[in-house]
Amino acid sequence: DQQVKQNSPSLSVQEGRISILNCDYTNSMFDYFLWYKKYPAEGPTFLISISSIKDKNEDGRFTVFLNKSAKHLSLHIVPSQPGDSAVYFCAASSNDYKLSFGAGTTVTVRA
Amino acid sequence: SQTIHQWPATLVQPVGSPLSLECTVEGTSNPNLYWYRQAAGRGLQLLFYSVGIGQISSEVPQNLSASRPQDRQFILSSKKLLLSDSGFYLCAWSVGQGTNVLTFGAGSRLTVL
Repeated sequence: DQQVKQNSPSLSVQEGRISILNCDYTNSMFDYFLWYKKYPAEGPTFLISISSIKDKNEDGRFTVFLNKSAKHLSLHIVPSQPGDSAVYFCAASSNDYKLSFGAGTTVTVRA
Repeated sequence: SQTIHQWPATLVQPVGSPLSLECTVEGTSNPNLYWYRQAAGRGLQLLFYSVGIGQISSEVPQNLSASRPQDRQFILSSKKLLLSDSGFYLCAWSVGQGTNVLTFGAGSRLTVL
């Protein structure tokens, strides 16, 4: 049972524009959410996170928004750069040791 | 600083052969350790995690097993590989509980023929 869902497998955006990645979850016990970035043949690297007590967290060009009532979060990348082309995974955890990941969204930034 | 090492990076094995993937973490004590798998076109699936030596939790029934013989060593094994075991295997570590920021290794690409 997929508790974290990324329904858009791919996203293409022009350099300089905003990239918006979406993620939905079903487990109401999740209280911590993360985004990871992954290049081919490499391990994912942590990008940004948000606790359920917040609805927004910003780090440079990256902002994560959380809508708890809708069980939805999104990642905004502004402005998008060629180096942002990668697979982005949404992940969630409750107060335990495990992270549940979505299937990922492949972002392609066009010059 | 903490580092995580995972090997081998690439492995091609025949069906029915054994498997051993190894992961070690440096620069931290008593980490939580994880094995994830990314199958082609799919997300990251948690296979095993360990919160201490000899403590292994299995998330998905399969013909794989995991062991943690030392505090910072995590091994993924199989006695007989199946075609469906092909994928990209990732070891990761974290500390604490709840706000899990996992740090991943570089991954091991396994192809079973």
